[in-house]
Amino acid sequence: DGGITQSPKYLFRKEGQNVTLSCEQNLNHDAMYWYRQDPGQGLRLIYYSQIVNDFQKGDIAEGYSVSREKKESFPLTVTSAQKNPTAFYLCASSTSKGRTGGEKLFFGSGTQLSVL
Amino acid sequence: SQQGEEDPQALSIQEGENATMNCSYKTSINNLQWYRQNSGRGLVHLILIRSNEREKHSGRLRVTLDTSKKSSSLLITASRAADTASYFCATVTSGTYKYIFGTGTRLKVLA
Repeated sequence: DGGITQSPKYLFRKEGQNVTLSCEQNLNHDAMYWYRQDPGQGLRLIYYSQIVNDFQKGDIAEGYSVSREKKESFPLTVTSAQKNPTAFYLCASSTSKGRTGGEKLFFGSGTQLSVL
Repeated sequence: SQQGEEDPQALSIQEGENATMNCSYKTSINNLQWYRQNSGRGLVHLILIRSNEREKHSGRLRVTLDTSKKSSSLLITASRAADTASYFCATVTSGTYKYIFGTGTRLKVLA
């Protein structure tokens, strides 16, 4: 089945630790996105990538890092510099690099990150 | 910063009633999309409306767009308990690749 897979579903981070959230898609999509969602809130864009080996900061990139070495994969690292990492993290992908917002986003099922 | 703002933040209705939620945005757009999120899950695309369209239907969903007021509404007719979810609008500022989501409306349909 085609889709977008996030792992793990739950993740715990110790103070001072970096953790990496996985996002893999087999939809052959060019674009991939990472969003953060706090309880009862909307989605805030962390990073996005329109093509392999290229990515741009979103609205809340501080304390996060990403890589895009393969088309299928867009892992997100939550670094120790992110002081309030507890949130629900969503990865998404879309077909086109177009700037019109006419491509729908496909989302993974999310990773809940908590601080120990 | 968030481009879209949904209104109301929360809505509780009886099964069979209609649910209306609104979205406002700040900049010019080419398209506006609506998504649904079940609790603890990812978002699912519902419907897209283009800037040159005023109304669009899909099953029990009706979306309107008023570009002069920079607002959109989502109407769910004959609601069911299974419609209980959060609903978000999303836009892309013209000339960028950034999809920006609103704060969402939490809909609860009571059986």
